[in-house]
Amino acid sequence: DAGVIQSPRHEVTEMGQEVTLRCKPISGHNSLFWYRQTMMRGLELLIYFNNNVPIDDSGMPEDRFSAKMPNASFSTLKIQPSEPRDSAVYFCASSPQTVGEQYFGPGTRLTVT
Amino acid sequence: KQEVTQIPAALSVPEGENLVLNCSFTDSAIYNLQWFRQDPGKGLTSLLLIQSSQREQTSGRLNASLDKSSGRSTLYIAASQPGDSATYLCAVDAGNNRKLIWGLGTSLAVNP
Repeated sequence: DAGVIQSPRHEVTEMGQEVTLRCKPISGHNSLFWYRQTMMRGLELLIYFNNNVPIDDSGMPEDRFSAKMPNASFSTLKIQPSEPRDSAVYFCASSPQTVGEQYFGPGTRLTVT
Repeated sequence: KQEVTQIPAALSVPEGENLVLNCSFTDSAIYNLQWFRQDPGKGLTSLLLIQSSQREQTSGRLNASLDKSSGRSTLYIAASQPGDSATYLCAVDAGNNRKLIWGLGTSLAVNP
């Protein structure tokens, strides 16, 4: 298995632009997580899906952030409009429903100027 | 509110040394605790997962222990190697919608 796939790996954009991050979970995994990592705050869970349904989005910082999972093999995290303070590494992770271990993608490094 | 703390924030040791990384959490009502490794510019790799009913887990040169009553976990690395250099993070699953609460990590450098 190729593991969790994220694209793009790096994104540089100007303030105010829309940013879309993409994730393909491991086949057969029923849970998908979006995280944000910064030096100051470490890893923070943004949103969690189970069987394509958002279960907990309490970590989504603002209405500028939205996430979708239209099917079991694809999810997006969108920021519109983007701001410099959104600069971070965004990770996607997936896990089988019955166990707790999470498998992480390589992350997307977002820089908003 | 569950909080996870990792001490030290950074550690530098000579190759071959045995070492211990510490993780503490404020609420003992946890579902499991996981240790991850993160290499620079890369994602996280799960190392060990300890269920709340377990005391320890071992994988090769790694041994993780869990003491729920004291809110502590340790990751023991035996005979450290330069390839062990990375950031090690612990995360607690409180069972609340599968949300992991993360420490900030310990940055480990093993010098040849």
